[in-house]
Amino acid sequence: RKEVEQDPGPFNVPEGATVAFNCTYSNSASQSFFWYRQDCRKEPKLLMSVYSSGNEDGRFTAQLNRASQYISLLIRDSKLSDSATYLCVVAMNTGFQKLVFGTGTRLLVSP
Amino acid sequence: DTAVSQTPKYLVTQMGNDKSIKCEQNLGHDTMYWYKQDSKKFLKIMFSYNNKELIINETVPNRFSPKSPDKAHLNLHINSLELGDSAVYFCASSHLTGDGYTFGSGTRLTVV
Repeated sequence: RKEVEQDPGPFNVPEGATVAFNCTYSNSASQSFFWYRQDCRKEPKLLMSVYSSGNEDGRFTAQLNRASQYISLLIRDSKLSDSATYLCVVAMNTGFQKLVFGTGTRLLVSP
Repeated sequence: DTAVSQTPKYLVTQMGNDKSIKCEQNLGHDTMYWYKQDSKKFLKIMFSYNNKELIINETVPNRFSPKSPDKAHLNLHINSLELGDSAVYFCASSHLTGDGYTFGSGTRLTVV
């Protein structure tokens, strides 16, 4: 079983739609959680950290459920520029941080 | 200024050759990493160094040898290249706690 599992998609949505991505992780000792965005042929970039209390950054909302080992990302009012691969990432802070990536969920927003 | 820079950006080479990829960061981070992203886009850590000391060494063939001459540089040398080594290799850096994690733009290695 992969450490971090995501639906690879692609998710095809029209502009203005709301879309949700889910992710599950297997290691209950994981302590830090993130969503990264990766554009085609580019490096991954941090989109947002994920906290148990949930957090929001503009049109993006991330949620963490530690009991279910489940992370979500909600994108409201999708823009064409949101088209990318969204990577779910977990880390264990054992004195240093090793990021474990999911395989990513591809989002395509069309006009 | 580029924060994490890798060279070369593209590398095409024949099987059996030895090649190196260089990485430098100017963020003042003390920890650097190498990740490999394969053809299925799966991104996996290979190595990590903190202040020139190896702290993470995942199950990677010993044909891959990282070298960190100082905390701002982490190079990756690959001996006897194989077709399966074809991938995008990303360098990254951060503080030891993980704060400020930043990736380089990647080196696309193609072994023919």
